[in-house]
Amino acid sequence: DGGITQSPKYLFRKEGQNVTLSCEQNLNHDAMYWYRQDPGQGLRLIYYSQIVNDFQKGDIAEGYSVSREKKESFPLTVTSAQKNPTAFYLCASAYMGLGVPDTQYFGPGTRLTVL
Amino acid sequence: SQKIEQNSEALNIQEGKTATLTCNYTNYSPAYLQWYRQDPGRGPVFLLLIRENEKEKRKERLKVTFDTTLKQSLFHITASQPADSATYLCALSISGGYNKLIFGAGTRLAVHP
Repeated sequence: DGGITQSPKYLFRKEGQNVTLSCEQNLNHDAMYWYRQDPGQGLRLIYYSQIVNDFQKGDIAEGYSVSREKKESFPLTVTSAQKNPTAFYLCASAYMGLGVPDTQYFGPGTRLTVL
Repeated sequence: SQKIEQNSEALNIQEGKTATLTCNYTNYSPAYLQWYRQDPGRGPVFLLLIRENEKEKRKERLKVTFDTTLKQSLFHITASQPADSATYLCALSISGGYNKLIFGAGTRLAVHP
């Protein structure tokens, strides 16, 4: 899991509630990512950020929001607008350099269940 | 449409044999391809990266090939061990302004003693 931590490991949410998933890295990486993983599917990109105070939508951003106030932190909020939030959420970070392949380092994941 | 395909069926092999996993893609021109290992309930861990101008890459018991004409990568584990049992994901790196990886769904490998 490298130098990336995610909390909590398990999270239960009632319908209609917003929840925030934490992601912290001490690898001094510029880029951070949030993915969602569902059984039988590849990782799908929710949001990513290449620099503090800037982030872009990924392929499935609807119903999610993020912030990047510090280089080390990239929290993800799952809002009540997300229709099917039950999934395994993975945070990753990567070093950004010209010509440097973007190997990603993943956290241990948060499993979110909507009751 | 753009697709990455990995064999969705689990691969079962005997300990000591060579495991070969396949990653096929369509409509992409990746700059490079990566392989990750994922254990149940955990985040993926990077294993190997191969660039578009490389045919083969090795690391200990692991070997990756990359055929941009066939649009295919093969991932080999030689002398497999039960500890190699996991899901293996391939990921394409698409150039174009930011570092983005497109992941396949993964193939589950089970190595039996």
